[in-house]
Formats: sequence, C-alpha cells, structure tokens
Amino acid sequence: AQTVTQSQPEMSVQEAETVTLSCTYDTSESNYYLFWYKQPPSRQMILVIRQEAYKQQNATENRFSVNFQKAAKSFSLKISDSQLGDTAMYFCALTGTASKLTFGTGTRLQVTL
Amino acid sequence: DAGVIQSPRHEVTEMGQEVTLRCKPISGHNSLFWYRQTMMRGLELLIYFNNNVPIDDSGMPEDRFSAKMPNASFSTLKIQPSEPRDSAVYFCASSLKRLTSRAYNSPLHFGNGTRLTVT
Repeated sequence: AQTVTQSQPEMSVQEAETVTLSCTYDTSESNYYLFWYKQPPSRQMILVIRQEAYKQQNATENRFSVNFQKAAKSFSLKISDSQLGDTAMYFCALTGTASKLTFGTGTRLQVTL
Repeated sequence: DAGVIQSPRHEVTEMGQEVTLRCKPISGHNSLFWYRQTMMRGLELLIYFNNNVPIDDSGMPEDRFSAKMPNASFSTLKIQPSEPRDSAVYFCASSLKRLTSRAYNSPLHFGNGTRLTVT
C-alpha cells in the first residue's frame, strides 16, 4: 500500500517570499514517481513538478523546486518569489508501477500582499 | 492538444436518478482514471483502466457505481441510483504508461472535473 502525508493543512506566505510545503510518503516499491499538483479555486488540477525516485538530483521548474530525501521518504516543495497566482491547494502525490496516483490531503497556500 | 475533456461541468439531479459522467482522454494516452474529490475524504481513486481494460476498481464505493471504457477515446462513470452522499467533484485523468526496464508513467493529466450535486 502507498500512503502520502501532508501535515500542514494551511500555510501563508507574503508575496516575493519563499515557502516550503512538506510531504512524506511510504511505498514498498523501488521504482516510483512523486508529484506536486496545484489546484486553484477554478478546481483544475495542474502538475507543478515531478521527481523520479531513481534520480538523485532534485527537480526544478522555474520558481518551484523539490527537496527529495529518499531515505527519509520526504518530498518537500519550495516555492521561491511567491506570487499571488500561487494561491491554491497543493497536493503531493505518489505513483508506482501500478500507475495509480495516491494523493495527500493537501496544503492550502495563501499568498498575501 | 485539447487535454482531457469532461462533461458535463456541473450536474444537479434528484436522489434516485441515474447520472452519467463522460470523459475523453488525451489522444495517445493508454491509462484512464476516475477520481472523486470531497472535503471529507480528499481525492479518492475510484477506478482505472489500462488499454481500455479495468485494472483496479477497488475504490468504487458501491454497486451503484459503474464505469466503462468502450474505446480508447471515451469513458463513462455511471451512478444509478444516485444519493445525496454522492455529491462531489469527479475528475477524469489520463496518462501514458510504457513498460520498459524501468516502468515509465507520464504524469496524470486531469480534466476540469464534474461537480455533481444530488438533492
């Protein structure tokens, strides 16, 4: 069984500041993928970033980067230079060879002026 | 690419009625997923298909729920009869699954969801 835990229900950050969202997971598979999805109020699920477990290098996508600690089963998301448009629910997710994606409960991020 | 297309965007129905949700995956994707999102339970996987074949339907809550994928470009999720507790946002997602020496799964691409309200 796969589990994903997001322990921060809500977070707030000021515009232009940096924020880190936490995620831990558990899986018995050796090949797996980790993702962060963003869900703005429009309810669309948008892929932010992904990480292959076999890659040691942390993934980055513009202002978004991850800190992947495989031994600790930790996968945090760092958002630099936060923008108002980053306000959304953020979901951490995990998939293995079975394809199905298991989601955490989400972190609601509010970016303020 | 138009992305994953779901219809309708909103559905309001009375308890006991049949509800059919529709999904068109991204062309070329061979895996399709139905998720349900509620405040209480978050995002739950209901069922997923690979090459049009249901692989795992363990998340389907009851016999009132059924899903079909008659071809690679279309899937339906049906609830019959519907109940107020079925009210939720239902997402369809698709991905490309390739089997290689290291299993490759493209990220899931989600549709915009169908908000179902059962009164």
